[in-house]
Amino acid sequence: DIQMTQSPSSLSASVGDRVTITCRASQSISSYLNWYQQKPGKAPKLLIYAASSLQNGVPSRFSGSGSGTDFTLTISSLQPEDFATYYCQQSYDIPYSFGLGAKLEIK
Amino acid sequence: QVQLQESGPGLVKSSETLSLTCAVSGYSISSGYYWGWIRQPPGKGLEWIGSIYHSGRINYNPSLKSRVTISEDTSKNQFSLKLSSVTAADTAVYYCARRSLGYWYFDLWGRGTLVTVST
Repeated sequence: DIQMTQSPSSLSASVGDRVTITCRASQSISSYLNWYQQKPGKAPKLLIYAASSLQNGVPSRFSGSGSGTDFTLTISSLQPEDFATYYCQQSYDIPYSFGLGAKLEIK
Repeated sequence: QVQLQESGPGLVKSSETLSLTCAVSGYSISSGYYWGWIRQPPGKGLEWIGSIYHSGRINYNPSLKSRVTISEDTSKNQFSLKLSSVTAADTAVYYCARRSLGYWYFDLWGRGTLVTVST
């Protein structure tokens, strides 16, 4: 099975900050990497698919990059509604697997 | 607008079978896409359970495969999850979701339903 490791597991930032979350796969997954945002009590929401493609309706301050084993999610200028938990997910091979999440909190 | 809605008992006794249904509105499940289940234990991360395609192709997480059955009812435009021999470890919020074709991402999710296994 492919293991997904996210870092950091939690971080504090301020509105307007630039934030980067990383995700590493235990083997190469090409560009089969997706990012989700989850707020408390809500379902995850797709932000980025295929490593760098922005899902329809997602603000352009979100971006993704990487291929192979190393990936990043960047939020260029944090907004109040961005404080949430972010998960990466590999869709290269079954069983599809998620990282443990990165909780973004207000500083 | 496509919407997914989970339904089923919120409490299941240990060793019994958990049964959930996901009703899809705004799109025919027989028109394409994979439809699947993902769960999240309280305070923990996400685990993919399995997905079904309208042709009957089904993928399961090997860690759960011996206990899981996913099926579809195209006449009701819904799909279902059965998980047998449940234990407290199966207590989780269960989400149904649509999985894209191609890069296999989950682009639409239901709101989720909490299932608690009582010991």
